[in-house]
Amino acid sequence: GQNIDQPTEMTATEGAIVQINCTYQTSGFNGLFWYQQHAGEAPTFLSYNVLDGLEEKGRFSSFLSRSKGYSYLLLKELQMKDSASYLCAVNNAGNMLTFGGGTRLMVKP
Amino acid sequence: EADIYQTPRYLVIGTGKKITLECSQTMGHDKMYWYQQDPGMELHLIHYSYGVNSTEKGDLSSESTVSRIRTEHFPLTLESARPSHTSQYLCASSDFPVEYGYTFGSGTRLTVV
Repeated sequence: GQNIDQPTEMTATEGAIVQINCTYQTSGFNGLFWYQQHAGEAPTFLSYNVLDGLEEKGRFSSFLSRSKGYSYLLLKELQMKDSASYLCAVNNAGNMLTFGGGTRLMVKP
Repeated sequence: EADIYQTPRYLVIGTGKKITLECSQTMGHDKMYWYQQDPGMELHLIHYSYGVNSTEKGDLSSESTVSRIRTEHFPLTLESARPSHTSQYLCASSDFPVEYGYTFGSGTRLTVV
């Protein structure tokens, strides 16, 4: 079966660093995506990992360990506008994305 | 400039009405998807398509139907709307194989009264 776990909610302070974890068990693996979704809006692409290691893109970085079925999204220098839900999604054997339930991040002043 | 368009953006409709939610993409993507999402909740796949004349039901049972007569167009129809259909409906598309993820439309927020 498909199972993707991520924390439901997290709170962090403006200017800080936050790490959002994602663990997965899926039938096949062809890459892992992170999406950002502001309330009432559509998800937007943040990052993609298919090989082990860290991918850095500005204030956002994403890490993958395929042997551990684990990924994290790291957000640095948090801003108020980073308050959103962050979705972890795995491209499985059927070449379809399986989405986690999302982590709602609240950034406080 | 959006590459995937959904209309209407918001819709309030009475119980029993037939409605069609439109979704069009200009990227030439073969695969298209419909998701249902309640506020603050997870995405639920209700329909998808691999290409023209191909439609499949998703993980979440839905009373809606879809069609794919043209590559760029993937409308979703509710024959008889009910209050339980009140939700946000998100359309997405992708290449096959999925190497660049999904591109999502802005969504249709449907309220059935």
